[in-house]
Order: sequence, then structure tokens, then C-alpha cells
Amino acid sequence: GQQLNQSPQSMFIQEGEDVSMNCTSSSIFNTWLWYKQDPGEGPVLLIALYKAGELTSNGRLTAQFGITRKDSFLNISASIPSDVGIYFCAGRETTDSWGKLQFGAGTQVVVTP
Amino acid sequence: NAGVTQTPKFQVLKTGQSMTLQCAQDMNHNSMYWYRQDPGMGLRLIYYSASEGTTDKGEVPNGYNVSRLNKREFSLRLESAAPSQTSVYFCASSELGNNYGYTFGSGTRLTVV
Repeated sequence: GQQLNQSPQSMFIQEGEDVSMNCTSSSIFNTWLWYKQDPGEGPVLLIALYKAGELTSNGRLTAQFGITRKDSFLNISASIPSDVGIYFCAGRETTDSWGKLQFGAGTQVVVTP
Repeated sequence: NAGVTQTPKFQVLKTGQSMTLQCAQDMNHNSMYWYRQDPGMGLRLIYYSASEGTTDKGEVPNGYNVSRLNKREFSLRLESAAPSQTSVYFCASSELGNNYGYTFGSGTRLTVV
């Protein structure tokens, strides 16, 4: 079953605020990925992380691969209305030779003007 | 470049009816996956195909069958639909290996009454 704990489950924020969410695993991962799902669409890859300590940005989004290799976080700065959606973390265990992804349950982000 | 195409987008079935969800990718990916998404439960893997000619069970395979028809196409079949199979179904594809994320289709919203 799912081994990723993603929090918070939902966030209601005002436009312009910064958002932070995180994901933890019970085992060591060699890849962390963050996806965004717009309403009525499939998830789209935002950021991919491959090394412990790696910090990567994509516009207003910044994600980090935790030093312990068991966690990752995603920050969204200066939120805008189009940031609304569900954000998923995903990762691969180092022991999974084939490399199947595991997904968190998602963080629902609602942005109010 | 269409990416991952799923059909149909919406479907209503009566309990006991059967149907096949179609998925095709045009990125020459080796691996394909079927997920279901239910509120608060994130993405759960139903079946996957690491490469053409192979299929394996995921986390929630009961009540489903799959066929990897060729490298492009991976179908999901419900032989006797049940209300518990009401969900949004996503197909995804990826390259084989540890350094690749998944590309998702836009989903099929299935209701079983």
C-alpha cells in the first residue's frame, strides 16, 4: 500500500500568500517528484528531484529533496488564482529495482482573491 | 503531440455491465499504468505493464483485467462493474528506469449505478 504521508490535506489561502506542503516516506527514496492536477485533468509533472539535498525551482515553485532521503517539500511563493488544484508528491524507493512510483494522497489548494 | 489519450472521458454503467477503457501513448514509452483516483485516497495503482508483453498487478487489481495490446496501447477491462468501481481512472506512461516521471492522460470518469 501507500507509504507516503502528504500534508496538509487541504489549504485555503489568500492570493499573494506563500504555500508550503511536504511529503514523508517510511523508506529511503532515490527520486522525488511533484505533480499538479487541475480540475478535470490528469496530473502534470512540476519538478523532479534526484539527489539528497537538491533544491530545484520552476518559476514560483521550489522543491527540495530531504537530506534523510525520506522527505521532500514544495513551496509556492506569491500564490495566484491559477495555483488552485491538487498537488501530489511521488517517489521511488531505492530498493525498487524497476522504479515504480508511489504517490501521496494529495494536497488540495484553494486560493481566494 | 497528443501524449497519453484516454477514451471515453465519461461513462455511466449499470451494475454487472462490462466495458473497456482505452489508453494510447505516442511517446514510444516502454511502461504503462492504470490508476484510480478516489476522494481523499490519492492515486492507487490498479495494474501496470513494465514493457510490451508484460503486465502485473498493482495495489487494487480485484475486479479488473488489462491487456497490453502493443507498445502504444494498454486497455483496462471491467468484466462485471460494481458501484465500488465508481471512480476517475487515469492511464499513464513512462520510460523504463529510475529517472523518469509519468505522463498522465486526462482521465475517464466512470459511474456505476
